[in-house]
Amino acid sequence: DIVMSQSPLSLPVTPGEPASISCRSSQSLLYSNGYNYFDWYLQKPGQPPQLLIYLGSNRASGVPDRFSGSGSGTEFTLEISRVEAEDVGVYYCMQALQTPITFGQGTRLEIK
Amino acid sequence: EVQLVESGGGLVQPGGSLKLSCAASGFNFSGSAMHWVRLASGKGLEWVGRIRSKANSYATGYAASVEGRFTISRDDSKNMFYLQMNSLKIEDTAVYFCTNLHPSWGQGILVTVSS
Repeated sequence: DIVMSQSPLSLPVTPGEPASISCRSSQSLLYSNGYNYFDWYLQKPGQPPQLLIYLGSNRASGVPDRFSGSGSGTEFTLEISRVEAEDVGVYYCMQALQTPITFGQGTRLEIK
Repeated sequence: EVQLVESGGGLVQPGGSLKLSCAASGFNFSGSAMHWVRLASGKGLEWVGRIRSKANSYATGYAASVEGRFTISRDDSKNMFYLQMNSLKIEDTAVYFCTNLHPSWGQGILVTVSS
């Protein structure tokens, strides 16, 4: 199974400041078609997960442009340029290259 | 508008069975792989399993933790998707989400396994 490792697991941020979450996979997620089968999700309290970034760096529809994803292979990063109060929740990375699909442990973002 | 609505959750005793349903609308359901993902209290997201489309022979895949106990099926004529859960364990207690992953998720339904 592909193991996904996130850091940090807890992220206190002051509103207006940037934030960054890293995710490392135990195997390359870069497929022969040139796509990384890697996504970022945000789960806000009491809500289902919301897709933020797909295929490594593509922002999902309706996601604010302060969110960006980068990386390839085994190293990926989610960046929030200016954190807002509504960004609190748990952020998960996920690989969809092969089953079983696996998630990172989750990073809890909180507002200072 | 894309909608995924789960039903069938509830309280069941250890060793019992439960069948979750997911009603889908607003997207090409028959052409989509569909997944179940769960979230247990105090834990992270866990993929449960998926079923691919008819074009991909309705292939199924499961997490090791549920393999042999859970069965995923679909009825494309009704835009419905199912999770049959047998031999339930206390550790199966979670909110279960149906999803096509990109990008739609149901609101989730609670399954509690307890005596």
